[in-house]
Amino acid sequence: DAKTTQPNSMESNEEEPVHLPCNHSTISGTDYIHWYRQLPSQGPEYVIHGLTSNVNNRMASLAIAEDRKSSTLILHRATLRDAAVYYCILRPVWAGSYQLTFGKGTKLSVIP
Amino acid sequence: SQTIHQWPATLVQPVGSPLSLECTVEGTSNPNLYWYRQAAGRGLQLLFYSIGIDQISSEVPQNLSASRPQDRQFILSSKKLLLSDSGFYLCAWSVTQQGTGELFFGEGSRLTVL
Repeated sequence: DAKTTQPNSMESNEEEPVHLPCNHSTISGTDYIHWYRQLPSQGPEYVIHGLTSNVNNRMASLAIAEDRKSSTLILHRATLRDAAVYYCILRPVWAGSYQLTFGKGTKLSVIP
Repeated sequence: SQTIHQWPATLVQPVGSPLSLECTVEGTSNPNLYWYRQAAGRGLQLLFYSIGIDQISSEVPQNLSASRPQDRQFILSSKKLLLSDSGFYLCAWSVTQQGTGELFFGEGSRLTVL
């Protein structure tokens, strides 16, 4: 499976933008980039995904490098509720690729 | 709308005792089902996944087993628990057809083996 590299932890001030980086230098042309986050003592929840173009939804934005070897999850205004572990995951689209493999992610702390 | 439920939410069991965690999905048919485990301070480890009844794949050799007696029911079991089985167990589902492959997770079951 293609792997991702994320910083272990990051800090942000409340109401400031947050840029969470992810490196995936071995990404293949058919890998989607997914982001999930896990709040304390809860299961992970889907945040956003993309293939080549930048993506926006109500939770966040995903900026994908032109060579697709890295991506950045952008939280436009961090709130205390955004304190969580954020996982960057690659998901192949070929048949049989049903499972996602989670690494250790980035633990985001939000300072009031 | 689709929902996923796991139980029990917390469990404290002695070493060598059996285990049964149950997961049920509502509002969808023929989902892919998954069991993940998260040990303290670690990432999520995929244990089992199932694409249909009696179609279960194991990702990690261990003393755990999984069964899918009905389309939307997934059970994680052990005959004899080890200390190393302690952790946060998460059930998840996804659609089987083409799509984003988005996973929807349950609330989790926290197991402590003493």
